[in-house]
Amino acid sequence: DVVMTQSPLSLPVSLGQPASISCRSSHSLVHTDGNTYLTWLHQRPGQSPRRLIHQVSSRDSGVPDRFSGSGSGTDFTLKISSVEAEDVGVYYCMQGIPRPPWTFGQGTRVEIK
Amino acid sequence: EVHLVESGGGLVQPGGSLRLSCAASRFSFSSYWMHWVRQAPGKGLVWVSHINVDGTTTSYADSVKGRFTISRDNARNTLFLQMDSLRVDDTAVYYCTDLNDHWGQGTLVTVSS
Repeated sequence: DVVMTQSPLSLPVSLGQPASISCRSSHSLVHTDGNTYLTWLHQRPGQSPRRLIHQVSSRDSGVPDRFSGSGSGTDFTLKISSVEAEDVGVYYCMQGIPRPPWTFGQGTRVEIK
Repeated sequence: EVHLVESGGGLVQPGGSLRLSCAASRFSFSSYWMHWVRQAPGKGLVWVSHINVDGTTTSYADSVKGRFTISRDNARNTLFLQMDSLRVDDTAVYYCTDLNDHWGQGTLVTVSS
């Protein structure tokens, strides 16, 4: 199974400051079809997860451009250029290679300092 | 807007059964692999099960294999999860999702005596 490891697990950030979350996979997430199946999700308190970014760096519709994803192979990063109050919650990376089991990182809790 | 609406959760005793449903609307349900993902109270996201577009291929996390059964009815745009021999550690919010940008609001399953 592909193990996903996030760091840090807790991230206090001041409003307007940047934030960065790291995600490492135990195996390469490059599929034989050439795509890299790394997804970032955001879960606000009491809500369902929402996809922010797929295939490493493609932002979903409606996701502010202060969110960006980067990386390759087994090392990936989610960056928020300037944290806003609505960005609090837990961020998960997920490997989405289309075969079981699908796996998630432990989650990184972002809070406002 | 796409809607995935789960139902069927509740309180059940250890060893009991529940059947979860997920009704999809404004969504090309029959075109997507579908999944169940669960989240124990205060914990992270865990993939549970997947089914392919026509229901001929399914997969399960080791923790539920042999106890849970996923199925779908494409004519009714509905996903199911039959959960038997429930254990206390199955207690969680269960989400229906395509693991892309569509997630339901979740249904809470509590296994307790």
